[in-house]
Amino acid sequence: EDQVTQSPEALRLQEGESSSLNCSYTVSGLRGLFWYRQDPGKGPEFLFTLYSAGEEKEKERLKATLTKKESFLHITAPKPEDSATYLCAVFKSGGSYIPTFGRGTSLIVHP
Amino acid sequence: GAGVSQSPSNKVTEKGKDVELRCDPISGHTALYWYRQRLGQGLEFLIYFQGNSAPDKSGLPSDRFSAERTGESVSTLTIQRTQQEDSAVYLCASSLGASYIRELFFGEGSRLTVL
Repeated sequence: EDQVTQSPEALRLQEGESSSLNCSYTVSGLRGLFWYRQDPGKGPEFLFTLYSAGEEKEKERLKATLTKKESFLHITAPKPEDSATYLCAVFKSGGSYIPTFGRGTSLIVHP
Repeated sequence: GAGVSQSPSNKVTEKGKDVELRCDPISGHTALYWYRQRLGQGLEFLIYFQGNSAPDKSGLPSDRFSAERTGESVSTLTIQRTQQEDSAVYLCASSLGASYIRELFFGEGSRLTVL
């Protein structure tokens, strides 16, 4: 069964304390992996798309990387405004156009 | 606006009533998705449209749920005879199309509360 697992479920950081969120997947043939940010009461906001192992994308304090089994979202020197739930989603090969979402990591950054 | 628009943003209804939730996708986006998100939970896939057809309805939880899309634009999700377990945020997303993998853009959601 295809699975997308995010860890940790929740993460508390002090402002400036860098860390990484993990998204591991077991799908047959990855076609793309997305990262989203979701603030309370809002819809998910698109961050990055990664298509192949070795690919990296950066945006401000966030950097997403991809291997054949997992993706990391690295947060460098986070600020309180980075507090949100971070979701990853994968598209697999085989004609399905339905992305499978992980359950997310809830990040809280304390000032 | 340029984003995905959903209405109503909040809906409170009584058990047994029918509700309709509307989604206006980004102009030109041929793919449209409905997801359900219960409090503190992940995104649960409901249905996917490519154009006006729905090749995948596998996520609809029961025959009380139905959805349609007209004119490759607006979509309506209808829940008949609502139950308390239907309480959730219903999220709509659109993307450029299914011929290649592109990111989904989400609306702000419709929060449904069934009393």
